[in-house]
Amino acid sequence: DGGITQSPKYLFRKEGQNVTLSCEQNLNHDAMYWYRQDPGQGLRLIYYSQIVNDFQKGDIAEGYSVSREKKESFPLTVTSAQKNPTAFYLCASSSRGGYTFGSGTRLTVV
Amino acid sequence: AQKVTQAQTEISVVEKEDVTLDCVYETRDTTYYLFWYKQPPSGELVFLIRRNSFDEQNEISGRYSWNFQKSTSSFNFTITASQVVDSAVYFCALGGWSGGSNYKLTFGKGTLLTVNP
Repeated sequence: DGGITQSPKYLFRKEGQNVTLSCEQNLNHDAMYWYRQDPGQGLRLIYYSQIVNDFQKGDIAEGYSVSREKKESFPLTVTSAQKNPTAFYLCASSSRGGYTFGSGTRLTVV
Repeated sequence: AQKVTQAQTEISVVEKEDVTLDCVYETRDTTYYLFWYKQPPSGELVFLIRRNSFDEQNEISGRYSWNFQKSTSSFNFTITASQVVDSAVYFCALGGWSGGSNYKLTFGKGTLLTVNP
């Protein structure tokens, strides 16, 4: 079945370490997105990519980086510059107005 | 810029009551899609409905119904005879696709619905 795989489901890191969240899709979707959700908050866009080798900053890109070397993959790196990295991260892809979401990665920085 | 407003932060009802979740949106695009998602405590987003901007017909799916009014830029969601299992956070979102470009999905802040037995 086609879908989006985010791994791992739970991730713990020490403060000051970079960490990369994985997002893989087998839907042949052109566009991919990363969202962040804080407790009691909505989903805020971090980065998005319309095509391979191209991506744009979303509303809260500071402290994050992405790459889009393959159509299927859109990894997100949370750098040490991100002040409050503990959050729930959701990856999505879309094509022709249809959006598919992964099951999310809950990142805790201690 | 696109914007989605869900004015109700939290709603609490007693089982079997009807409840309406409000959603107001802003966009300059003529072609767009509106969505509702349910987010249970596990965190995954459950897709409920997608409505094209050119289709203003209301839709009913079981106990769920949606009222889309372009004149007021609203896309409200009603649950009839609510059940405890309906307890979740509900998000309204605005996105779409046009001319080969996929729009980013803009979310409201969500409404936490609690249905008490």
